[in-house]
Amino acid sequence: AQRVTQPEKLLSVFKGAPVELKCNYSYSGSPELFWYVQYSRQRLQLLLRHISRESIKGFTADLNKGETSFHLKKPFAQEEDSAMYYCALSGNSGGSNYKLTFGKGTLLTVNP
Amino acid sequence: EAGVAQSPRYKIIEKRQSVAFWCNPISGHATLYWYQQILGQGPKLLIQFQNNGVVDDSQLPKDRFSAERLKGVDSTLKIQPAKLEDSAVYLCASSPRGQSFSYEQYFGPGTRLTVT
Repeated sequence: AQRVTQPEKLLSVFKGAPVELKCNYSYSGSPELFWYVQYSRQRLQLLLRHISRESIKGFTADLNKGETSFHLKKPFAQEEDSAMYYCALSGNSGGSNYKLTFGKGTLLTVNP
Repeated sequence: EAGVAQSPRYKIIEKRQSVAFWCNPISGHATLYWYQQILGQGPKLLIQFQNNGVVDDSQLPKDRFSAERLKGVDSTLKIQPAKLEDSAVYLCASSPRGQSFSYEQYFGPGTRLTVT
């Protein structure tokens, strides 16, 4: 079974402060991890995926297999980063056909 | 390119009624997904199609939910009869490749269903 845990429902920071959104996962095989984001009145969209090792909009995330974590980080938060962030896992253990399992999400608010 | 289209955007029905949602994926995308997102939760996969075949419907409540993708393009999701706990946003997503790899999923705007 695959499971994604986002321990913080809400996270509030001030503009310019560092931000870290936590994500832990449970999976028996080799997972692929994603962060999806939903800005106000917009569609859910991919922010980044661990295999691409990119920095998108200043965000980075490193897969830590030892700690089974995939935390999302940004050194200096901006007001436009305010959104709902979902961590998601894709795996194929037990013939799951690489389905995506989402966490419950963290609502990030960046205050001016 | 045009994004994933869904209709209707909002629907209010009484319990025990039936409802249908429609999704048109991005042109050329082979894989189509239906998710249910209950308030305060992340999206939960209901069913995944590869072209017009079902590859995963393990979390679809088959006694009341059904879905089809007859020509491998657009899809409909039906609930009959609806229950109060079916109140949720129903998201459709599509991706360009088959189920052997994890590709980016493109989401539609969703249909917000309220069952009273």
